[in-house]
Amino acid sequence: KQEVTQIPAALSVPEGENLVLNCSFTDSAIYNLQWFRQDPGKGLTSLLLIQSSQREQTSGRLNASLDKSSGRSTLYIAASQPGDSATYLCAVTGSARQLTFGSGTQLTVLP
Amino acid sequence: NAGVTQTPKFQVLKTGQSMTLQCAQDMNHEYMSWYRQDPGMGLRLIHYSVGAGITDQGEVPNGYNVSRSTTEDFPLRLLSAAPSQTSVYFCASSFFAGGANTGELFFGEGSRLTVL
Repeated sequence: KQEVTQIPAALSVPEGENLVLNCSFTDSAIYNLQWFRQDPGKGLTSLLLIQSSQREQTSGRLNASLDKSSGRSTLYIAASQPGDSATYLCAVTGSARQLTFGSGTQLTVLP
Repeated sequence: NAGVTQTPKFQVLKTGQSMTLQCAQDMNHEYMSWYRQDPGMGLRLIHYSVGAGITDQGEVPNGYNVSRSTTEDFPLRLLSAAPSQTSVYFCASSFFAGGANTGELFFGEGSRLTVL
């Protein structure tokens, strides 16, 4: 059974700092990996989607990498802003055509 | 473009009552799914569908039914509500090709259900 782990569970940083969120998964047979953002009381918003054949994806200040062989992905946020405060979740699409989610990292960016 | 629309946003039920959570998407996505999100448990898949007339169970299907009569709609039915079904429910959809949902997953805003 696929398991997805996100460390740390919570992170607090001052505004302007670059930061890295980590995601690891146990089964490397995946179709893709996605990073999502969830604001309190809201649904999830897809940030980046990395297909299994890709190594990284970039969108604005966000960069996500994927290393299937080691079962790891990182989400890099450059020059963090208070508006980046949210919970960030990663999810992998496995061979059963189902997504498995991590429990998320709650990020707080302090002004 | 409405995306994924869920109704109702809030609902309170008594134990034993039944209800249906509605989900509709206007993106012509083949893949639709229902998740529940509970503190400390993360998001767990209840049921999913890869096209009209096709449904399958996820990780926590007991107590829930689904049907997919059209591409656009994927309702979730609670047959006899229990307090353990108090949760936030999310519907999500994506494109599906080559045997997998290869596109990004779009979520609704969620339906908050309390069972007394």
